[in-house]
Order: sequence, then structure tokens, then C-alpha cells
Amino acid sequence: NAGVTQTPKFQVLKTGQSMTLQCAQDMNHEYMSWYRQDPGMGLRLIHYSVGAGITDQGEVPNGYNVSRSTTEDFPLRLLSAAPSQTSVYFCASSSQGGTGELFFGEGSRLTVL
Amino acid sequence: GDSVTQMEGPVTLSEEAFLTINCTYTATGYPSLFWYVQYPGEGLQLLLKATKADDKGSNKGFEATYRKETTSFHLEKGSVQVSDSAVYFCALIPLYNTDKLIFGTGTRLQVFP
Repeated sequence: NAGVTQTPKFQVLKTGQSMTLQCAQDMNHEYMSWYRQDPGMGLRLIHYSVGAGITDQGEVPNGYNVSRSTTEDFPLRLLSAAPSQTSVYFCASSSQGGTGELFFGEGSRLTVL
Repeated sequence: GDSVTQMEGPVTLSEEAFLTINCTYTATGYPSLFWYVQYPGEGLQLLLKATKADDKGSNKGFEATYRKETTSFHLEKGSVQVSDSAVYFCALIPLYNTDKLIFGTGTRLQVFP
């Protein structure tokens, strides 16, 4: 079982560049979310989706865009990267919102110079 | 808003020692509580959960009891192994938005043979 797949695993960007972090799940989960992990701050929710066509903001949404055109995919877009967005990003999914039982991808480490 | 506070790490133990990692929460009402574990280089995995006061979650020898009187959900294990070395995250689902999972900052556990 693939579970939650994130690509790329590592990326280096220059300030102002744009990129998309990909996330795909093969468990037919309705709920998907993006977190960033920073030292001393734990995981913070960026955006989430409770189903195809529905997205909402989390705790730290500024600088990030998302869309959910299919159940399987939930890409995270950085339109103009900033050094403050250097972080490890995790995608997670769940059969439905409200369970707290998330399945995480292996993470994508992003460095913005 | 709701929040989770964990003891700072790292927690350093010898193999077969008793483990306690403290977690307290601030929340409206009685949220569901969770412990997640992150092994090196991997995403987070759900370790255990409790959904109401006095519930005890358990898995792989780990236990945590939901104590509403002390707003705590401390993680315990009677005899740790080197393979338990990881970062442990306490988390809750707030009642005001059950689509969000709020994490603590994480506690690193290092177990030496």
C-alpha cells in the first residue's frame, strides 16, 4: 500500500520562485491536510480539505494556496517563496474530518535561500 | 484558543527504564486527545487516543489516561527499548472545529542500550 505519497522529498528554491508540493493518497480518504514542522514549534496546520472542491485555512495559511479537484490529490502551492517558508512539510489524510486519526506522508524538506 | 503543552526534551533513558512524557492541554470542554510518534526520517504515526474523560488509550506498551481534573494526558511506558527512540507529539481536536488537529511542540526520546 502506497498510503500518502509526497513529492519532492527535497527542494531548494531561491526567494521569489514558485513551486508546488504534490500530495496523493490511495485510501479514498475524504479529508486531507498540509502541516509545516519547524524546530520548537511542532506541527502547524496550513490548509485542509474535507472533500473534493472544498478547502479551508488552517493556522498559518499566508503564502500558500491549495486546491482539491480530485479525492486523491491535494497540492500545496508556494507562489513567491520566502526564507520564512523554509521548513519540512507534511501531507496527511483521514477517512473523514473530526477523527484525529491522520495518515502522514514522509515529508518534503524545503529550503528557501 | 485551544493548545497543548509538552515537556521539553530530550528525554534520555537507559533501556528498560520507565518512561513518562508530560502533556497538558487548554481547551473548551473535553476534546479528544492523541499521541503521535515520529521515527527518524519518517512522517508521524498515530500511537494512541482517548475520546472522553477517564479513558485510557494504549498501544505497543504505551499508555495514556485522559485526566480532566488535571487537564493532562501523560504518556507512559513501563520498559523502553532502543527502538522507541523518536519524537512524541501530544495533540487534541478542539470542539469549536473538529476538522483541525492541534499539536504540541513534541518531545524527543533517546534510549541508550
